[in-house]
Amino acid sequence: GNSVTQMEGPVTLSEEAFLTINCTYTATGYPSLFWYVQYPGEGLQLLLKATKADDKGSNKGFEATYRKETTSFHLEKGSVQVSDSAVYFCALSDTGANSKLTFGKGITLSVRP
Amino acid sequence: GAGVSQSPSNKVTEKGKDVELRCDPISGHTALYWYRQSLGQGLEFLIYFQGNSAPDKSGLPSDRFSAERTGGSVSTLTIQRTQQEDSAVYLCASRPGGSSYEQYFGPGTRLTVT
Repeated sequence: GNSVTQMEGPVTLSEEAFLTINCTYTATGYPSLFWYVQYPGEGLQLLLKATKADDKGSNKGFEATYRKETTSFHLEKGSVQVSDSAVYFCALSDTGANSKLTFGKGITLSVRP
Repeated sequence: GAGVSQSPSNKVTEKGKDVELRCDPISGHTALYWYRQSLGQGLEFLIYFQGNSAPDKSGLPSDRFSAERTGGSVSTLTIQRTQQEDSAVYLCASRPGGSSYEQYFGPGTRLTVT
């Protein structure tokens, strides 16, 4: 079955530091890939997506590239802000019958001023 | 436009009681999902509705869990004879359908079984 593996957390960075959160996946076929973010006390929000190999999703300064050869979808941001403190989930949706999302375990990011 | 809404936002119930959780998807979205978020298990798929098709119930953890979707819109997740291990945040999501696979989530219902 499908699975998503995220790097272990939590991660603590200083403001303006570079961020990388690793995500690899196992899936049959050609899944769509997503990063969701959950800010404290809030629900899951779609951060970015990529639907095919070599696609780059981007939003709010975050980027991730769909790498089929390494089955990866690492999240990056060049300069994090305190407001980026949240839990980040990598997820995939197969393009089959129910297109349910399979999530990684999530990683907590804390950015200190 | 309006996003996915869920009610109640919090629910505390006694072990053995039944609970109903409600989800209003984004207008026009044909696909609706329920997930459960708990500390030990992360985010788990529960059930999927698409239009008027039979739901995919493959993620429901036991026969105490059921869900329905009326008129292709509002959905209700029912948990009968609640147990302490049912304590979690229950999330609803909707999707436009077709070739668009991103899902939009509601704020969730935090269920606590005492």
